[in-house]
Amino acid sequence: DQQVKQNSPSLSVQEGRISILNCDYTNSMFDYFLWYKKYPAEGPTFLISISSIKDKNEDGRFTVFLNKSAKHLSLHIVPSQPGDSAVYFCAASRERNNDMRFGAGTRLTVKP
Amino acid sequence: DSGVTQTPKHLITATGQRVTLRCSPRSGDLSVYWYQQSLDQGLQFLIQYYNGEERAKGNILERFSAQQFPDLHSELNLSSLELGDSALYFCASSPHSGLSTDTQYFGPGTRLTVL
Repeated sequence: DQQVKQNSPSLSVQEGRISILNCDYTNSMFDYFLWYKKYPAEGPTFLISISSIKDKNEDGRFTVFLNKSAKHLSLHIVPSQPGDSAVYFCAASRERNNDMRFGAGTRLTVKP
Repeated sequence: DSGVTQTPKHLITATGQRVTLRCSPRSGDLSVYWYQQSLDQGLQFLIQYYNGEERAKGNILERFSAQQFPDLHSELNLSSLELGDSALYFCASSPHSGLSTDTQYFGPGTRLTVL
């Protein structure tokens, strides 16, 4: 059962522009959301997270927005850099529950 | 380098066989998680161990089992292997008992190919 969905398998943007990666979830019990970045031949690395009590969390060039009513979150990268080219996974869980559900990932390519 | 190590990096075996994947968590981390990533799929949570005990179970098949040893390393055992078990298997670790707000640090993965 796909409780976390990333409907865009790939995204290509120009260096310096904004990258927007989207994620939808179906389980209204999820209250903690994370984004992971994955380079080839490496494991995923934690990027940024947000709790359901917030609707925005910012860390440098990365901002995650959460729309609970729409069960939607997005990751904004501004400005995008070629080194941001990777697969981005969205994940969700119920706080204090370790069954973290991942989306299938979106491959971001940032062109110089 | 996340500090989580996994061996082997690649494993090729035949249907019906049994394999063991090994994971060493970051120094000081008490929780170990196992995930499966099949082709073009997201990561599927399999199981979590905390300080030697099973803490949470996800979509883990009965043919699969895991354990965490006193030195905190963990092994994932896959038996009666089928073609569909071919996947990347990731191990992750976190400091505590696994509050979802703990950051999980992932190893580089073991690529299993079942022929």
